[in-house]
Amino acid sequence: DSGVTQTPKHLITATGQRVTLRCSPRSGDLSVYWYQQSLDQGLQFLIQYYNGEERAKGNILERFSAQQFPDLHSELNLSSLELGDSALYFCASSPISSMSYEQYFGPGTRLTVT
Amino acid sequence: DQQVKQNSPSLSVQEGRISILNCDYTNSMFDYFLWYKKYPAEGPTFLISISSIKDKNEDGRFTVFLNKSAKHLSLHIVPSQPGDSAVYFCAASPISGNTPLVFGKGTRLSVIA
Repeated sequence: DSGVTQTPKHLITATGQRVTLRCSPRSGDLSVYWYQQSLDQGLQFLIQYYNGEERAKGNILERFSAQQFPDLHSELNLSSLELGDSALYFCASSPISSMSYEQYFGPGTRLTVT
Repeated sequence: DQQVKQNSPSLSVQEGRISILNCDYTNSMFDYFLWYKKYPAEGPTFLISISSIKDKNEDGRFTVFLNKSAKHLSLHIVPSQPGDSAVYFCAASPISGNTPLVFGKGTRLSVIA
């Protein structure tokens, strides 16, 4: 158990809908990262928050947005969903702002768009 | 353009033997490398890391070797155990700046009893 929690574990929704994925980092960790893993792909970095502020952005679509709250939990919002958004979404956390450090991953949310 | 490549999608090894997982990278700015292990229905778990000032790092049964001139790293597991059966991801980034980790697509290791 990494100490990172993600909810829900599974989500099935229709095209055009909007969903929110939630992540609670390990106690004391200030950085939260979001990754997407599509079929047969490695993990693709989406976005990083550090202590409530956006710190780095990867290949995140404009339809996707995220935020980190004062209690350090984070939410990833996916809107106008398309079939291609079906993937595993992982959240990770670390104690520092630099990404060149061990990151601790949650169990992931499997999103299926039908 | 894949900056981190794990060219073997799968590997099968007998229990007790050595498992060698390979990873190649193309970006010469990468100087920090990590290996993660992933079981089904779980998130990746950090295994071991190495920075470019070293060419070897050991942690118990796991050793990572880095060959900077060849832009190649490998993870050795000795002896391999059935519980090591998982998908192994290699990741890399530059230490300076705040640049995302770039992950390979993973190698599925099966350790046969």
